[in-house]
Amino acid sequence: GAGVSQSPSNKVTEKGKDVELRCDPISGHTALYWYRQSLGQGLEFLIYFQGNSAPDKSGLPSDRFSAERTGGSVSTLTIQRTQQEDSAVYLCASSLASGNGNTIYFGEGSWLTVV
Amino acid sequence: QKEVEQNSGPLSVPEGAIASLNCTYSDRVSQSFFWYRQYSGKSPELIMSIYSNGDKEDGRFTAQLNKASQYVSLLIRDSQPSDSATYLCAVRASGGSYIPTFGRGTSLIVHP
Repeated sequence: GAGVSQSPSNKVTEKGKDVELRCDPISGHTALYWYRQSLGQGLEFLIYFQGNSAPDKSGLPSDRFSAERTGGSVSTLTIQRTQQEDSAVYLCASSLASGNGNTIYFGEGSWLTVV
Repeated sequence: QKEVEQNSGPLSVPEGAIASLNCTYSDRVSQSFFWYRQYSGKSPELIMSIYSNGDKEDGRFTAQLNKASQYVSLLIRDSQPSDSATYLCAVRASGGSYIPTFGRGTSLIVHP
């Protein structure tokens, strides 16, 4: 596609429910990133995928969070047993490769509200 | 712990003035530096990237990098009200992890 595509754009869920957020990176981009941004805060790194390598999960805040990337393309971020503090916008980004000269492009984000 | 520091602002400048945004970083092996603009309720969009010491100009924007002092800045000339946004600095190391670390952003307000 022309850009990074994320769905849903908005999600309201009840506390304790599971949610799945989807990211479709720019075609041909091998690197994919998930970040979280709470209201008025900076970007918090969650997880990074590069090609077929094992993902870097060092930013996941708890074991309720997991992500996978199928076929080196689409990624799904899953949050189990959601809590109110999980309310944030979840941003997916991709880049052509992981080298330093590669620009990272963001999707429009998935706005999650846990009530 | 890699840190990227920015003054949260808001930085308020009159229309037509030069806006100067600063960013410092802690990781000396950082090699790539990016400035993103984020309008309220929108996702970050890349304005400029810089990899070498010195200045890089693109239209009204100039990025300045000083690796010895570990800071990178963004100058916006002839500021316009449409430049009002939060500006995020991002830093990426060479080798190992290519995960960019973001600052918390500086809010810029350009008033007519």
